[in-house]
Amino acid sequence: EPEVTQTPSHQVTQMGQEVILRCVPISNHLYFYWYRQILGQKVEFLVSFYNNEISEKSEIFDDQFSVERPDGSNFTLKIRSTKLEDSAMYFCASSSDRDNEQFFGPGTRLTVL
Amino acid sequence: GIQVEQSPPDLILQEGANSTLRCNFSDSVNNLQWFHQNPWGQLINLFYIPSGTKQNGRLSATTVATERYSLLYISSSQTTDSGVYFCAVEGSYNTDKLIFGTGTRLQVFP
Repeated sequence: EPEVTQTPSHQVTQMGQEVILRCVPISNHLYFYWYRQILGQKVEFLVSFYNNEISEKSEIFDDQFSVERPDGSNFTLKIRSTKLEDSAMYFCASSSDRDNEQFFGPGTRLTVL
Repeated sequence: GIQVEQSPPDLILQEGANSTLRCNFSDSVNNLQWFHQNPWGQLINLFYIPSGTKQNGRLSATTVATERYSLLYISSSQTTDSGVYFCAVEGSYNTDKLIFGTGTRLQVFP
């Protein structure tokens, strides 16, 4: 069964460093998403991406964040200068169409020291 | 924006018991999903159920969209059912993001 994959599973970085989180969505899906979950809290939406552009973003998704689909398979989230409060689990998701079921990857646990 | 409330926040069961988890939402939705977050933090899709009733083994779910709630039923619970159950909705008005509830933490003891 097709699934969303994410790399790395864990990432530890120093405050101020740039990180890139990678995702491979399900191959025939057109809509891509990033969510995050701070430890012990609920899952929060960051950004959605369709047709090579951002379709919606939350207040969390400020200028330190960017997304890209560099080729036909990968979808990346870049955090330009990490802060302590960026420590969280980051989930990538994809769906075949708007309003359809979103399928989540296993997550990348980011720790900022 | 749309509000999503889940109840109860915590639930402790003995193996074999049945339970009902509830999700209330404040506006009309185009998508409603139930997830199980396992101890490793992975979000496992349980149901995509914007309306109607579905069953998958010991789990079933019902969404009454007109009354803005959804129920997740777990029958004959097992220790492997332990974890956090999230309801997430996508509003009807020009949005494609899922808004998650705060979850129900389920612990099943042998």
